[in-house]
Amino acid sequence: DIQMTQSPSSVSASVGDRVTITCRASQGVSSWLAWYQQKPGKAPKLLIYAASSLQSGVPSRFSGSGFGTDFTLTISSLQPEDFATYYCQQANSFPSITFGQGTRLEIK
Amino acid sequence: QLQLQQSGPGLVKPSETLSLSCTVSHGSISNTNYWWGWIRQPPGKGLEWIGSIYYSGTTYYNPSVQSRVTISVDTSKNQFSLKVTSVTAADTAVYYCASQDYGGVDYWGQGTLVTVSS
Repeated sequence: DIQMTQSPSSVSASVGDRVTITCRASQGVSSWLAWYQQKPGKAPKLLIYAASSLQSGVPSRFSGSGFGTDFTLTISSLQPEDFATYYCQQANSFPSITFGQGTRLEIK
Repeated sequence: QLQLQQSGPGLVKPSETLSLSCTVSHGSISNTNYWWGWIRQPPGKGLEWIGSIYYSGTTYYNPSVQSRVTISVDTSKNQFSLKVTSVTAADTAVYYCASQDYGGVDYWGQGTLVTVSS
């Protein structure tokens, strides 16, 4: 099974900051990597697919990069509505998928 | 755009069977671009994929729950379902149905909190 490890587990930042979250796969997943945002009591929302493609309707301050085993999600200028938990997910073994453990983004 | 509506009980007794259904609207469950999946999230924890089904009935399951899980599809009702047998407190979670394509999980049901308790 492919394991996904995110870092950090939590991060504190201020509005306007640039934030980067990393995700590492236990084996190569090519570009089959997605990122999600989840707010309390809500279903996750797809932000990025295929490692770097922005889902329709997602603000351009979100970007993704990486290939193989190492990936990053960057938020260029944090907005108040961005404080949430973020998950990466591999789809190299689709339809079997695996999520990272999550990164909580908190207000400093 | 697709909508997924979940139904099923929120309380199940230990050792019994958890059953949930998901009805797809504004689209066909026979759409060849999608697999239909179940994902769960224990309170305060992360997301766990349970399994997925194609409209043809082909299934894939997470090995951690494979022995207790059955996912089925009813194309005439545009619906798919989840059964988990012999539940314990560890199965307490919010259960989501979802549509999957190679890009990710793009449509989610509203989520159902299932509590296992006597």
